[in-house]
Amino acid sequence: DTAVSQTPKYLVTQMGNDKSIKCEQNLGHDTMYWYKQDSKKFLKIMFSYNNKELIINETVPNRFSPKSPDKAHLNLHINSLELGDSAVYFCASSQVGTGGHNEQFFGPGTRLTVL
Amino acid sequence: GQNIDQPTEMTATEGAIVQINCTYQTSGFNGLFWYQQHAGEAPTFLSYNVLDGLEEKGRFSSFLSRSKGYSYLLLKELQMKDSASYLCAVGDYKLSFGAGTTVTVRA
Repeated sequence: DTAVSQTPKYLVTQMGNDKSIKCEQNLGHDTMYWYKQDSKKFLKIMFSYNNKELIINETVPNRFSPKSPDKAHLNLHINSLELGDSAVYFCASSQVGTGGHNEQFFGPGTRLTVL
Repeated sequence: GQNIDQPTEMTATEGAIVQINCTYQTSGFNGLFWYQQHAGEAPTFLSYNVLDGLEEKGRFSSFLSRSKGYSYLLLKELQMKDSASYLCAVGDYKLSFGAGTTVTVRA
């Protein structure tokens, strides 16, 4: 069973287009995240939602807009795509467990290529 | 803000031990995580330290010294499948990741 899933896995598009990436988790977690991993493998937090409420909003261009219809889903919409948006985008989810820590479970990633 | 440093690359032989160091400077500390990421795959959780000392989990151990802003991940009895990137991360809900250390295990 897939714990955190993302679609699509690969996305190739032209500059200026608008695209969306979808994420779903079946772990019953309250918190979900979007990360961007660039070509240098640096993994950087973009957004986080807890029970559909935005709790982390890093310095990200407002062309990026997250939407959480329910706590199991967190989608990412990107307007007016630019070359620099090319990266792998990871969705993740977490719940503070009995160990007291916030282990995050990552989806398989979406490799976005902007031409 | 957070500043997290770890070596870029390490190479070791199958069966050997490798220690990956991580130093951090943070405005607050809620815990330190180590994640493993194989090429083209998602990061997966390895370990968590919030108190000083050593946490052991099978072939992998992680150490933390909060006063020194220092952690290491120790991989023992290296196997070829351990070839991956190892990411040090600090925080709680908001994780700040280091750039990762690529470990190559040679036969």
